[in-house]
Amino acid sequence: QITLKESDPTLVKPTQTLTLTCTFSGVSLSTSGVGVGWIRQPPGKALEWLALIYWDDDKRYSPSLKSRLTITKDTSKNQVVLTMTNMDPVDSSTYYCAHSSVTTSNAFDIWGQGTMVTVSS
Amino acid sequence: QSVLTQPPSASGTPGQGVTISCSGSNSNIGSNYVSWYQQLAGTAPKLLIYRSNQRPSGVPDRFSGSKSGTSASLAISGLRSEDEADYFCASWEDSLSAIFVFGTGTKVTVL
Repeated sequence: QITLKESDPTLVKPTQTLTLTCTFSGVSLSTSGVGVGWIRQPPGKALEWLALIYWDDDKRYSPSLKSRLTITKDTSKNQVVLTMTNMDPVDSSTYYCAHSSVTTSNAFDIWGQGTMVTVSS
Repeated sequence: QSVLTQPPSASGTPGQGVTISCSGSNSNIGSNYVSWYQQLAGTAPKLLIYRSNQRPSGVPDRFSGSKSGTSASLAISGLRSEDEADYFCASWEDSLSAIFVFGTGTKVTVL
């Protein structure tokens, strides 16, 4: 059974850097075809894909946020970390991490519960 | 900045059928699979359909997906009260670096 959990809710100030950790179990990011991605959702709005890292360390980023995002993995700890620089109040959202694999043609089949990020001075 | 367009709302009475459309382009739906996600109020999204028309284990066969050209659809038959939720389509987008895009979302209301 695959589960994912995002780090605790956080409050960051404008211009600060956000660091989010996704801790997962039941799967290894060293297994061929596996990926972990980040998606966010402002209150009452649509989902927005942010980034994805694959088992082979291939990384993909949303073009509109690419300059602010970094995604990394720690296979030994079963963790994926997303950093987002220069935070702004419009970045206040629920952030989700999710599992993908070639089994579902890289759809996000298992999601974490989400974590709330608030950007305010 | 969703590149996949969905109607903002759809509704039906219990037992009826509802169909949600998702419109894209040649670079996303036109050349890649579509996935659909159901998000109940206050919860994380759940995968409903992958590879345009495949259901993960546990998803009722009342939910079905289809794709034609640059558009896709999610059909819900025999509507039930627990189907009231937001529904999002999604697809990979071919570009210099493949990216993932979500639809604008559709709120389904069971009257």
